[in-house]
Amino acid sequence: EDQVTQSPEALRLQEGESSSLNCSYTVSGLRGLFWYRQDPGKGPEFLFTLYSAGEEKEKERLKATLTKKESFLHITAPKPEDSATYLCAVPDQTGANNLFFGTGTRLTVIP
Amino acid sequence: DTGVSQDPRHKITKRGQNVTFRCDPISEHNRLYWYRQTLGQGPEFLTYFQNEAQLEKSRLLSDRFSAERPKGSFSTLEIQRTEQGDSAMYLCASRGGGETQYFGPGTRLLVL
Repeated sequence: EDQVTQSPEALRLQEGESSSLNCSYTVSGLRGLFWYRQDPGKGPEFLFTLYSAGEEKEKERLKATLTKKESFLHITAPKPEDSATYLCAVPDQTGANNLFFGTGTRLTVIP
Repeated sequence: DTGVSQDPRHKITKRGQNVTFRCDPISEHNRLYWYRQTLGQGPEFLTYFQNEAQLEKSRLLSDRFSAERPKGSFSTLEIQRTEQGDSAMYLCASRGGGETQYFGPGTRLLVL
């Protein structure tokens, strides 16, 4: 069973059009939920870690929130430079030390 | 803190050849990870080192793959007898005392 599911797969927004990306997870005993940004041909860039339901973190136009079943990445008034793939990940449920990633949401912001 | 570095950034090889990639983690990070990423997918775990010890290996890591981390500093990932299915982005990440993994720029491998 997939531990992390992201939606939508792709999202096109006009510049300034706010929206949210979803990451639902099935792990129990969550040891953190991680958001990364990935530009084409580059490695993932760390954005946020959330540990408990109700927690929120912000960075510029991005705000990440966490509930007991899902996390949202809210993008307020996006700019073209926010175009990227956004990945969420959780520690592997088997107890291993690695992260288990979703397939990402590919965001395109049109000027 | 110069971040995680990987070398080479791109590698094109012919099927059947051996390739080796290098990862230099953030200094003093004792945990190091290798992942593989194919187009449209998230990174998939390959192997994990704590200091020089290789503690975990994914079932994705076939016997053609070998990884080392001598002296607990840089790490190498070698693929022997490459196959076209090995074409992917190979990512290295390191972690210090916290939970967050920091990724390098990746090595893009194309097997012809």
